[in-house]
Amino acid sequence: AQKITQTQPGMFVQEKEAVTLDCTYDTSDQSYGLFWYKQPSSGEMIFLIYQGSYDEQNATEGRYSLNFQKARKSANLVISASQLGDSAMYFCAMRGNNFNKFYFGSGTKLNVKP
Amino acid sequence: DTAVSQTPKYLVTQMGNDKSIKCEQNLGHDTMYWYKQDSKKFLKIMFSYNNKELIINETVPNRFSPKSPDKAHLNLHINSLELGDSAVYFCASSHSYEKLFFGSGTQLSVL
Repeated sequence: AQKITQTQPGMFVQEKEAVTLDCTYDTSDQSYGLFWYKQPSSGEMIFLIYQGSYDEQNATEGRYSLNFQKARKSANLVISASQLGDSAMYFCAMRGNNFNKFYFGSGTKLNVKP
Repeated sequence: DTAVSQTPKYLVTQMGNDKSIKCEQNLGHDTMYWYKQDSKKFLKIMFSYNNKELIINETVPNRFSPKSPDKAHLNLHINSLELGDSAVYFCASSHSYEKLFFGSGTQLSVL
């Protein structure tokens, strides 16, 4: 069975500082993909970043980077230089060999303080 | 050009009614999904269709019936609505192992 765990229900960060959102996963699949999505208060789901299980380099997309530690089964999202607009819910997700099924974590609500 | 569009955005209805939510994607994807997001923001997959064929049917009450007339459309019909059905319903699509593209969500409120 696949499982995604986000242990931080809520977090605060000061504007312009970096923040790490934790995500651990459990799977027996050899090949899988890890994703992060942002959901602002307006409700839409915005794709941020993707990491494949065979990718050796950590993924980066602008201010977002994914700290992938395969042996520890963790895929933490790092947001550098936080902005007020980063305040949102953040979801970690995984897809295993059954590419039709995405599993989502419970989310972390990030609040960026001015 | 909206990639995944779902209508309506808001749906307020009485218990016992039947309602439908429509979804269309213009991305040429072969797989479409329905997700339910509850009041605690937890996202749970309900159904997945691949090339019009039902692939995933999670433990969803049979009052919920998806219909995929073609690859680009996946509708959700709900019979005999209950208070517990109040949630945000997201349609999404993807191609093979790639990321999910989400619609903007339908906020369903059952009174």
